[in-house]
This record gives sequence, structure tokens and C-alpha cells, in this order.
Amino acid sequence: NAGVMQNPRHLVRRRGQEARLRCSPMKGHSHVYWYRQLPEEGLKFMVYLQKENIIDESGMPKERFSAEFPKEGPSILRIQQVVRGDSAAYFCASSPRETSSYFAADTQYFGPGTRLTVL
Amino acid sequence: SQKIEQNSEALNIQEGKTATLTCNYTNYSPAYLQWYRQDPGRGPVFLLLIRENEKEKRKERLKVTFDTTLKQSLFHITASQPADSATYLCALGGDYGGSQGNLIFGKGTKLSVKP
Repeated sequence: NAGVMQNPRHLVRRRGQEARLRCSPMKGHSHVYWYRQLPEEGLKFMVYLQKENIIDESGMPKERFSAEFPKEGPSILRIQQVVRGDSAAYFCASSPRETSSYFAADTQYFGPGTRLTVL
Repeated sequence: SQKIEQNSEALNIQEGKTATLTCNYTNYSPAYLQWYRQDPGRGPVFLLLIRENEKEKRKERLKVTFDTTLKQSLFHITASQPADSATYLCALGGDYGGSQGNLIFGKGTKLSVKP
């Protein structure tokens, strides 16, 4: 049973280019979360998605960042016109959590991360 | 604003001793609290979850306590081994007043167990 998969593991972009980060959740998981980890900082929540729906994007920067989780295929985190400050490790996590269970504990299973370097 | 603090950035202990890590939070009412382990260059790995109505949880050499009055969780590793060396992250979830979906993480405590 494969875990959460992310690719690429390392991505180098020049300022102004676009970065696309992919995440395939664990089998049977329909909830995906994206987090960013800056050097010496904690993990910061960015966005929470279900298939074809954005549930919570309160942690996403207002500009240049977008995320999707289509009916078929992986979840994509897209960063347009990257800047040096976007350099970080981006982690995806998935869970089987049912949103109907308001107090359901949300154990999240993390992927290995994509390390983005902006030159 | 919501704040999570883990007692120290680094903790050095001798093999065989008990490591105790602290997680304190303010302006938050979590329904549950989790501890994760993160090794360099890797994603966090889930260790334990404790709910607001639970005082203590154990799993092998790990023990977690959760005091909602003190707004604090303690994470213990007994009979520590060099292989336990890693960064340990505290995460809060299920905020009654906010988002149900995401976890809020502390910065972590880097544990080093010396042989």
C-alpha cells in the first residue's frame, strides 16, 4: 500500500517561472492538505481540498498560488511567477477523514515533500 | 492570535533516559492534539493522537498527556535510543472556533540521544 507520493522531490526554478507540484494521496484517501515549511520554521497550512472542491484555502497567499484536486489524477499546487521567497519545502498530506464527522480526529499522512529552490 | 510553543529548539539526553518534550498553546481550543516525528529531508510521520477528553495515551515507549486547563501537552520517550534522534512536532486540530480541516504545527523540538 503506497504512501502519499509527491513529485518532483526537488524543483529548481528561476524567478518569474511557474512551479507545479504534484501529490497523489494514499489509496482510499479523498482529503488532501498542502503545507509549506520554511527553513527553521514550522509547517504552515496552505490549503485543504477534497475531490473537485477547495474546502479551506485560508493559508494560501492571495496571489500567484492556486491548488486543485481533480476528479481524476493528483492534486496540483501551482505557483506562478515564483520569487526567491517561495523557496521552501512543500508537503502534501492526505487523510480518509469524513467531513460529516465534525469532531473526527484528522490523522494526516505526509508525503516526502517537494523542495523548491528559486534562483 | 493562535500560538503554539514547543519548550525548546533542541534537547540533548543520554541513551536510556526519558526524554520529555513540552507543547503549550494559547488562543486555541483544540478537539485533539497530535505528535509527529520528522527526520531531516523527510515528511512528518504520525506518532500519537490524544483527544480533549483524554488525559493520557501510550504506545510502546511513547506517552502523551493532554491538559486542556493548562493548555499543555507533554510527550515522553522512555528508555531513549540514538534512533529516537529526530525533530518532534506538536500539532493541534479541530479548533471549535475555526477551521476543522487543517493542523496547526509547532516549530518542533530537535531531540538528540547520545550513546
